[in-house]
Amino acid sequence: DGGITQSPKYLFRKEGQNVTLSCEQNLNHDAMYWYRQDPGQGLRLIYYSQIVNDFQKGDIAEGYSVSREKKESFPLTVTSAQKNPTAFYLCASIGDGREAFFGQGTRLTVV
Amino acid sequence: AQRVTQPEKLLSVFKGAPVELKCNYSYSGSPELFWYVQYSRQRLQLLLRHISRESIKGFTADLNKGETSFHLKKPFAQEEDSAMYYCALCPPNKLIFGTGTLLAVQP
Repeated sequence: DGGITQSPKYLFRKEGQNVTLSCEQNLNHDAMYWYRQDPGQGLRLIYYSQIVNDFQKGDIAEGYSVSREKKESFPLTVTSAQKNPTAFYLCASIGDGREAFFGQGTRLTVV
Repeated sequence: AQRVTQPEKLLSVFKGAPVELKCNYSYSGSPELFWYVQYSRQRLQLLLRHISRESIKGFTADLNKGETSFHLKKPFAQEEDSAMYYCALCPPNKLIFGTGTLLAVQP
C-alpha cells in the first residue's frame, strides 16, 4: 500500500525538550516537505528536500531541524528553540507528476 | 515574491447555490497551480490542477494570467463539498499554499 506515513499521530512535549516527528514514504519520490498547519494561517513551509542529503529552509525554519539520509525518510525535529511548537504538522512528497501526497499529520502539544 | 492569496476564510452557501472560491497568485514565471481539498478527518488531497483543465466532482478552475487568478467554481454546491480548500502554487522545487477557505454548504 503506497503512501506517506507520519508518526506518531499525537505527541506531547514538555517545555525545553526536543522531539522528532517521523515521515516515511514508499512512493519513490525525490522531493519531501514539512508544513505547519495553524488555524487561519494555512500551510506554512518549514523545510523541504529535493534529494537525499540536501535540504533547504522554508518560510518558518527557526526552531526546527531536519535530515535526509534516505530517500524514504525525512524526519523533523522540533527543538526547544521553537517558541510556539503546539501545532499540526504535515509531511508531503512530490513525484514527477507534481502532485503532492500528504501524510495524516502529527498533532504536537506542549505541556 | 511568490505568494498565494485566498481572501475568504469562510464561505457559507446553501445547497444548490453556485460556489466560487477565490485564489490569486504572485509569481514572475509561468505558474503551475493546484487546488487541494481536506475533508473532515481525511488527508489533504489533490482536487485539480490547471494544466489538466479537467472537471473533478463538478469543480473547475481556470487560470487567468492577466488577473493572476485561479478561482475554483462549481455551479451547484452539494453538502458533501463542505471542506477546507487550499490553492497552491508550484514553482520549481517548492510548493506554496494559500491560507485556505472553509466551504460550508448548508442544507
